[in-house]
Amino acid sequence: AQKITQTQPGMFVQEKEAVTLDCTYDTSDQSYGLFWYKQPSSGEMIFLIYQGSYDEQNATEGRYSLNFQKARKSANLVISASQLGDSAMYFCASRYSSASKIIFGSGTRLSIRP
Amino acid sequence: DTAVSQTPKYLVTQMGNDKSIKCEQNLGHDTMYWYKQDSKKFLKIMFSYNNKELIINETVPNRFSPKSPDKAHLNLHINSLELGDSAVYFCASSPQVRGQTYGYTFGSGTRLTVV
Repeated sequence: AQKITQTQPGMFVQEKEAVTLDCTYDTSDQSYGLFWYKQPSSGEMIFLIYQGSYDEQNATEGRYSLNFQKARKSANLVISASQLGDSAMYFCASRYSSASKIIFGSGTRLSIRP
Repeated sequence: DTAVSQTPKYLVTQMGNDKSIKCEQNLGHDTMYWYKQDSKKFLKIMFSYNNKELIINETVPNRFSPKSPDKAHLNLHINSLELGDSAVYFCASSPQVRGQTYGYTFGSGTRLTVV
């Protein structure tokens, strides 16, 4: 079965440091997309970044970048210069060509220390 | 202005009651979804509609019935509510391009508490 794995249930990081949130996926599809979403304590789901399986360059959006290693089936989120407002749950998710849906990992709770 | 709007935001009700959650999107997306987020924050798909047609129906008790009157609306009706139905329910929508599902826009969620 297609699966998304986030092995870090929780992380603490000092403000202004960079942080990497791990994500691995499992698929035999050639065409797929990978997403990261942020869920702050207020509860809404906020789209952060997207990487397509055929994209040659790693996706970047401001302080967010996606470290895409296709052979390892990993799609780690890197947040540079972390801020207090980055404290939230982060979900990795994937869309596979063989399924009309996005499946989510179990999430990582990131806490930024001042 | 809200792209995907869900109502109500909070719902507290007694066991055995029937309740509905409404969702509307103004993005012109073809596909809408219902996800359930449990107390451990795990997000699981329940249903998906594409242009008013049911395309995904995961293993969900038949007390849950989605209804899509048009492609901009997807409502969720729940009969005979149970304690285990307490969760946050998210509506989402996405465009479909050449049959591929693209990124979701989520509603703000409905926190359902069954007492």
